[in-house]
Amino acid sequence: GENVEQHPSTLSVQEGDSAVIKCTYSDSASNYFPWYKQELGKGPQLIIDIRSNVGEKKDQRIAVTLNKTAKHFSLHITETQPEDSAVYFCAAWGVGANAGKSTFGDGTTLTVKP
Amino acid sequence: DSGVTQTPKHLITATGQRVTLRCSPRSGDLSVYWYQQSLDQGLQFLIQYYNGEERAKGNILERFSAQQFPDLHSELNLSSLELGDSALYFCASSAKLGDFYGYTFGSGTRLTVV
Repeated sequence: GENVEQHPSTLSVQEGDSAVIKCTYSDSASNYFPWYKQELGKGPQLIIDIRSNVGEKKDQRIAVTLNKTAKHFSLHITETQPEDSAVYFCAAWGVGANAGKSTFGDGTTLTVKP
Repeated sequence: DSGVTQTPKHLITATGQRVTLRCSPRSGDLSVYWYQQSLDQGLQFLIQYYNGEERAKGNILERFSAQQFPDLHSELNLSSLELGDSALYFCASSAKLGDFYGYTFGSGTRLTVV
């Protein structure tokens, strides 16, 4: 089955700096890669996603890049703010026999210091 | 409020017992997904239902079972509980099978087995 590795597990940045979180996946057939933000006591919330026919997608301060050949995708947060502090998860969605199954990375705890 | 309702929010029970977690999907969503999030671990996909039928299965233990009812709410049954079953259990819903854009998580049920 699919295996998703996420790095780093913890990330601390100064307010205003950029943060980058990277994920690799194993199943070359996976074709949808969402990123979720989980704040304390809440469920994960979708913040951005990318499909395998797109290399990059941007939404204000958040961007995601995908390298299908290398099977990795990254989340970029620019001009970080204290409210960006949370746990971020990447995921890869299966296709074919694995359709409907999503595999999540282990999460990155991001701390933005004011 | 994400629109996905999970009850109860907290549950404390003893080893060997059985519990039922309930999820009401967002209005109009036909697909329900269950996830387990243990301490220091990412989200583990358990099972997916679409319009009452099981569609995809992850690493769900035989002691666990789920169903989706005609009104589309879903229940996750956990039996012969062990200490290691203590975790956050999340439900997510989406509008249609493989819907990549309407995947919404509930706030979770925190299960503590003592």
